Amino acid sequence: GESVGLHLPTLSVQEGDNSIINCAYSNSASDYFIWYKQESGKGPQFIIDIRSNMDKRQGQRVTVLLNKTVKHLSLQIAATQPGDSAVYFCAENSRSYTGNQFYFGTGTSLTVIP
Amino acid sequence: DVKVTQSSRYLVKRTGEKVFLECVQDMDHENMFWYRQDPGLGLRLIYFSYDVKMKEKGDIPEGYSVSREKKERFSLILESASTNQTSMYLCASSSPGGDSGANVLTFGAGSRLTVL
Repeated sequence: GESVGLHLPTLSVQEGDNSIINCAYSNSASDYFIWYKQESGKGPQFIIDIRSNMDKRQGQRVTVLLNKTVKHLSLQIAATQPGDSAVYFCAENSRSYTGNQFYFGTGTSLTVIP
Repeated sequence: DVKVTQSSRYLVKRTGEKVFLECVQDMDHENMFWYRQDPGLGLRLIYFSYDVKMKEKGDIPEGYSVSREKKERFSLILESASTNQTSMYLCASSSPGGDSGANVLTFGAGSRLTVL
């Protein structure tokens, strides 16, 4: 399957600072990229998506950047809060003849230091 | 609030036992998925289904089977559990929902299986 990976498995930031979580992908044919957040004891939850023909999308306190030249995706969290502590996964969503396919990276664990 | 419910949060089974993991979604989604989550390996797709009685193998189907007799229910079956199947199992269903147009997976809370 496609390869979607992350540069760093763990990240610690001070409360109030900005966080940047990175992801590399290999499939140039991906249609969408998605970020998920997984809190302890819960399943992953959707945060934000970006279409492959875009390079930036902003949500509430989050920004996703897509650099297709180097096949790199990042999630920026502004003014990081303790509630942002979680594992973050990037995922690739490809529309194929069999329907939708999703491929996940290995995850980055974000710890917010009060 | 839309939901994917996995009936068992924690299970402990013995090697060779048959294990059923049940998943129900109340969103009328056609697509349902079973993933396995292991530290350092992320989420790996076991099986998925696009319609009732339809199933497709994912990346790691060996040792697993699935059943989709009703649209809302997707079951994962371990015919003869082995210790290397100790893991967190996540069920999900998908629908269009991303603001950019992506299909979005809605996950259950997970079923942590330990095989002794």
